[in-house]
Amino acid sequence: DAMVIQNPRYQVTQFGKPVTLSCSQTLNHNVMYWYQQKSSQAPKLLFHYYDKDFNNEADTPDNFQSRRPNTSFCFLDIRSPGLGDAAMYLCATSILGSTADTQYFGPGTRLTVL
Amino acid sequence: QKEVEQNSGPLSVPEGAIASLNCTYSDRVSQSFFWYRQYSGKSPELIMSIYSNGDKEDGRFTAQLNKASQYVSLLIRDSQPSDSATYLCAVNYNFNKFYFGSGTKLNVKP
Repeated sequence: DAMVIQNPRYQVTQFGKPVTLSCSQTLNHNVMYWYQQKSSQAPKLLFHYYDKDFNNEADTPDNFQSRRPNTSFCFLDIRSPGLGDAAMYLCATSILGSTADTQYFGPGTRLTVL
Repeated sequence: QKEVEQNSGPLSVPEGAIASLNCTYSDRVSQSFFWYRQYSGKSPELIMSIYSNGDKEDGRFTAQLNKASQYVSLLIRDSQPSDSATYLCAVNYNFNKFYFGSGTKLNVKP
């Protein structure tokens, strides 16, 4: 089945130790998104790619970086995680320009910062 | 700043009742609207999308959109305990940027 996959599902890191979260998709969608969601809060858009065009939200901290080496994969790099970065990180995909512009979410990665 | 507002709840309804969830949004250029269900610790799961004014029905779920008043709602008929979750409203502004409300927590009591 076509889907959005995130690895790992749970990630524990130490304060200040870089961490990379990965997302892959078999939907062949041209847009990929990264969201941060903290408990009882709305998913917060960090950035998105339209193909290889990177779009950063104005309030996304510089500590967060992303890479999209090809259509299928997208990575979220947190260069120096702080305690406030503990959250669920959600990857999603969609098709730009389609009338069916639904987003499809992966299962998420729960990040714990010790 | 794009605003999507939802009552955080919790909204409690008895099993078999109709649950009504509401959402308002700030930007009139919004093009499409979505309801997601999110169980605790899980990722959002799409329930309904709606693009035009009026009602859209899918099984026990009905989405209602009123662009003039800038609100979208979700009705769940014959609510079941398995419907207990947080319901997120999402709005698609230009160029496939989606903004989410913080969700309404629904409790369906057996």
